Amino acid sequence: GAVVSQHPSRVICKSGTSVKIECRSLDFQATTMFWYRQFPKQSLMLMATSNEGSKATYEQGVEKDKFLINHASLTLSTLTVTSAHPEDSSFYICSATRLTGYRDTQYFGPGTRLTVL
Amino acid sequence: QKEVEQNSGPLSVPEGAIASLNCTYSDRVSQSFFWYRQYSGKSPELIMSIYSNGDKEDGRFTAQLNKASQYVSLLIRDSQPSDSATYLCAVKSPKGAGSYQLTFGKGTKLSVIP
Repeated sequence: GAVVSQHPSRVICKSGTSVKIECRSLDFQATTMFWYRQFPKQSLMLMATSNEGSKATYEQGVEKDKFLINHASLTLSTLTVTSAHPEDSSFYICSATRLTGYRDTQYFGPGTRLTVL
Repeated sequence: QKEVEQNSGPLSVPEGAIASLNCTYSDRVSQSFFWYRQYSGKSPELIMSIYSNGDKEDGRFTAQLNKASQYVSLLIRDSQPSDSATYLCAVKSPKGAGSYQLTFGKGTKLSVIP
């Protein structure tokens, strides 16, 4: 399968600071990447769709000024949680779409566990 | 509102048995269907994709799709304790303007008892 990496895997920060999470597709180019959030014992919740070279599309209820997404290249998307608060503590997971023939499939990164003190 | 429904479980099966995981979806124009496995504290891992009606086999896994009934299932033969995880059903459907969305079910927790 395709390889998607995330960095960092775990981060602990103080309330009010900003945290940047990187998502990279290592062996393929991804025109579309997705950012998800998962709280304990809950399902994945899509936050935004990130397209290379254009603005991200945010899901309803997700603050675009708080969760800044930049898709700088076909292999890199970043999510910045600005002015993080304890309620932002969660498991953030990115995925990248790989096109094989006429089919595309989402592959997930290993996730970033954010803890805001 | 596109919905993907799964029984949350837990589904407990003895080692060596067949585990059967089910999923229904609401959007009739859904095109592609995926099963992901998620271990506790880890991110989802793709295990099967299926696009047309019928069965698709890959090792111990068989995905079954019935678009008329809007139903997709995953069978795991010779279940092993290492199969214990949450299985997420995901359905891809058009969102408009050439885009699509992947909607996830809440997942079924499988426990394989040694």
